[in-house]
Parts: sequence; structure tokens; C-alpha cells
Amino acid sequence: NAGVMQNPRHLVRRRGQEARLRCSPVKGHSHVYWYRQLPEEGLKFMVYLQKENIIDESGMPKERFSAEFPKEGPSILRIQQVVRGDSAAYFCASSPLDSPYNEQFFGPGTRLTVL
Amino acid sequence: LAKTTQPISMDSYEGQEVNITCSHNNIATNDYITWYQQFPSQGPRFIIQGYKTKVTNEVASLFIPADRKSSTLSLPRVSLSDTAVYYCLVGLSGYSTLTFGKGTMLLVSP
Repeated sequence: NAGVMQNPRHLVRRRGQEARLRCSPVKGHSHVYWYRQLPEEGLKFMVYLQKENIIDESGMPKERFSAEFPKEGPSILRIQQVVRGDSAAYFCASSPLDSPYNEQFFGPGTRLTVL
Repeated sequence: LAKTTQPISMDSYEGQEVNITCSHNNIATNDYITWYQQFPSQGPRFIIQGYKTKVTNEVASLFIPADRKSSTLSLPRVSLSDTAVYYCLVGLSGYSTLTFGKGTMLLVSP
């Protein structure tokens, strides 16, 4: 009964490179969320997706960041031309279709370091 | 979205009961109160959710007074493994976006 899986767990990129973060939700969950956590801070919402649709991307920077959740395969958070300020932990969460609670299941996160 | 205020940190000893209070003065009528726990280098984990009065599960209890302007997460007989950051969130039940503050860092000592 696997939970949310994220890979890689750690990612190092140089400024200007691209970072691709993958998230496989809990089996049967159709909602995926991405959050970013800076050191000593709480998580900040970035984007909410359902299969093949972006529902809410109000927390995602307009430039360089994109997200997708294709019909088949994991959800991808893509950061182009990374800068040092992108260094953070990126968490993916999933929830079932009709959750009565504010319960999201979080993955272990991907720690991105930009050199 | 209702803003929450909670202590930055708390200290306790094994076996004690810990109560973490969260203030949410401008909570809306339809908002629920949810608590998450986050261990170092891990994603947050849902603990409990409530609307009013008292909610209890196998992990914790949540006390919410009648005016709902605050709530208290109660952890009975904490152990070292309860050392974590605890987040209080306020929002619509089942809503898609979770808004996390800085949370309360609970340190449990032997």
C-alpha cells in the first residue's frame, strides 16, 4: 500500500539548468498538489492538478515553473533556468476524489539545491 | 483565508500531556480547523480535524471553544518520537489548498 512517492529525493543543479521533480500519488487518488518549503518556513502552496488539468496555479511563479499531471504517469514539476532562490524542499501531496477532510497525503519531498 | 497564530516552540518531557493552542480570530463560519505534524526531512502528516467542541482520535484530541476563535491540540503522554513541528490550519473542509504557517516546534526531552 504505497504512499506518495517522489523522486529524486535530492537534486543538485547549477544555475541555468533545468530541474524535473516527479510525483506518483497514492493509488486511486486523482488530485495532486505541489508545495514548496524554504528553510525554517511553512509549506507554500504552488499548484493543484487533476488528471490532465491544472485546477489552481495561483501559488506558482509565472515564469520558469510549470506542472503537469498526464493521463498516464507521474505528475511533473518543472523548473527551467534554476536560480539559487529556487533551492528548497518541494513536496507533493495527493488526495482522493471526495475527501470530507482537509487531509492530503504528502510525499517525502525533493530537496533541490542550486549551486 | 483566516490567519493562524501559534507559539514558535514548546518544550516538554516524556510522559507529559502537551497542549498547543492556535488563535484564529477571523475564522469564517464554514471553516474547519485542521492540524498537521511534520518530522524533519519528511512531508506533513494529517493529525486531526474539527469544527466545534471536541474531537478525539487515536493520536490526539482537539478542543474548540464555542466562539471558535482558538483551538487546542492535546497530545497525551508524549514520547521522544513526538518531537516535530505542528501546524494549525483553518479553511473549508475538503478545500484544495492548504495554507501553512510556521507552526510550533515541539521538543520532547527524556
